[in-house]
Amino acid sequence: GQQVMQIPQYQHVQEGEDFTTYCNSSTTLSNIQWYKQRPGGHPVFLIQLVKSGEVKKQKRLTFQFGEAKKNSSLHITATQTTDVGTYFCADQTGANNLFFGTGTRLTVIP
Amino acid sequence: GAGVSQSPSNKVTEKGKDVELRCDPISGHTALYWYRQSLGQGLEFLIYFQGNSAPDKSGLPSDRFSAERTGGSVSTLTIQRTQQEDSAVYLCASSLVGTSGRTDTQYFGPGTRLTVL
Repeated sequence: GQQVMQIPQYQHVQEGEDFTTYCNSSTTLSNIQWYKQRPGGHPVFLIQLVKSGEVKKQKRLTFQFGEAKKNSSLHITATQTTDVGTYFCADQTGANNLFFGTGTRLTVIP
Repeated sequence: GAGVSQSPSNKVTEKGKDVELRCDPISGHTALYWYRQSLGQGLEFLIYFQGNSAPDKSGLPSDRFSAERTGGSVSTLTIQRTQQEDSAVYLCASSLVGTSGRTDTQYFGPGTRLTVL
């Protein structure tokens, strides 16, 4: 089955620093979805990337899909304490279910 | 409109007992998913329902786990003879199916936290 690896597993940053999490697959992905889960909460959809090389922005968040469609990244510029949480990528390839990465837990130090 | 709801929010049970977890998807969403999330871990796919099609049960960890979806709406996840390793948050999600036949954004419920003593 699909395996989606996500790195790093944990990241601590000072407020105002940038943060990036990477999602990698050994197989070509159909599309990538990104979710954020606040501590104690449930995953909330952020964005979906479909096209090779696609870049989408949401305020301080930049999402990128690799040219070969085997990797994706989420970059946060100038982190804030409200960015705290776990960020998951999810691969939807073949079947209709999503395969979630292991997530990157972000801690922002004020 | 209302989102995905799950009940109970918390369930504490003794080892060996059966439990039932309920999910009410968003009205009109034909796709429904169950996931399990152990403490500090990622989401583990359990089962997927799409309309009247046979469910994808490939993620169920053992035959103690089963799920039903009645009338294409409410779903129940049943765990028989619970074990301590079943302790986790069980998340339900629902989505539309896109025009390409692929599922759209998944909307998650708040989850049921199961603790097996």
